[in-house]
Amino acid sequence: AQKITQTQPGMFVQEKEAVTLDCTYDTSDPSYGLFWYKQPSSGEMIFLIYQGSYDQQNATEGRYSLNFQKARKSANLVISASQLGDSAMYFCAMREGWGGKLIFGQGTELSVKP
Amino acid sequence: GAVVSQHPSWVICKSGTSVKIECRSLDFQATTMFWYRQFPKQSLMLMATSNEGSKATYEQGVEKDKFLINHASLTLSTLTVTSAHPEDSSFYICSATTSGGDNEQFFGPGTRLTVL
Repeated sequence: AQKITQTQPGMFVQEKEAVTLDCTYDTSDPSYGLFWYKQPSSGEMIFLIYQGSYDQQNATEGRYSLNFQKARKSANLVISASQLGDSAMYFCAMREGWGGKLIFGQGTELSVKP
Repeated sequence: GAVVSQHPSWVICKSGTSVKIECRSLDFQATTMFWYRQFPKQSLMLMATSNEGSKATYEQGVEKDKFLINHASLTLSTLTVTSAHPEDSSFYICSATTSGGDNEQFFGPGTRLTVL
C-alpha cells in the first residue's frame, strides 16, 4: 500500500503568489515524521521543513509552512510569495519511528511563471 | 550544517564492469547511511540501509549481490554496482543520519551512472 501520496504530478503558479502542494500519508505508528524536500534540476535534495507527529503547531520555515492535518493524515506544503527559483521537483517523505528510513511520495513538479 | 559528499558525481562505464560510489559524511559521524536510486522523473526509491560495522539491510527486490554496500567507518559508505548493465543507469543518492534521535537525514549530491 502506498504510504505517501502526492496527487499533483505538476503545478503552475504565478510569481509572487502562494501555492499549496498536497501530501497524504498512511501509517499506524503513532510516532512519525514528515518531511518536504526540494530537488532542482541539479539533483541535490534540499531539506525544506519537518513536522513531527507529536508537534502541536504547524511547522514554518521562512516562506515554507506545513499544513498538518493529523486526523486527515495530510501534510501539505504551502509556499508563499513564489519565486522563479522555486521551480523544481518537490517531494514529501515520511519516517516511521525514530531515525528510520524515509519513504518518498511520487513528487510534484512546480513551475513558477514570471 | 552537516555535509555529505559523493564521489564520483557522474560516471560512464561499459556494460559488464563494476562501479564503486563513495558516500562520505564530512563533518559528523554517520551511524546510519541510506542508498537511494532515482530514475528520471520518478521518486527516490530506497535500496538499502547501512549501519556502521554491520551488514546492510536491503529493500525487497534489490539484489544484494549486485549492489554491494559497505559501511566500514562512521564517515564512509560505499555502493558497488557489480557487472553493470544499461538498466542500472540511474541517479544514485546517499543520505546519512546521526545517532541520538536527530530528525534530519543529510543527503549527498548524487551520482549519475550511465552504463553503455
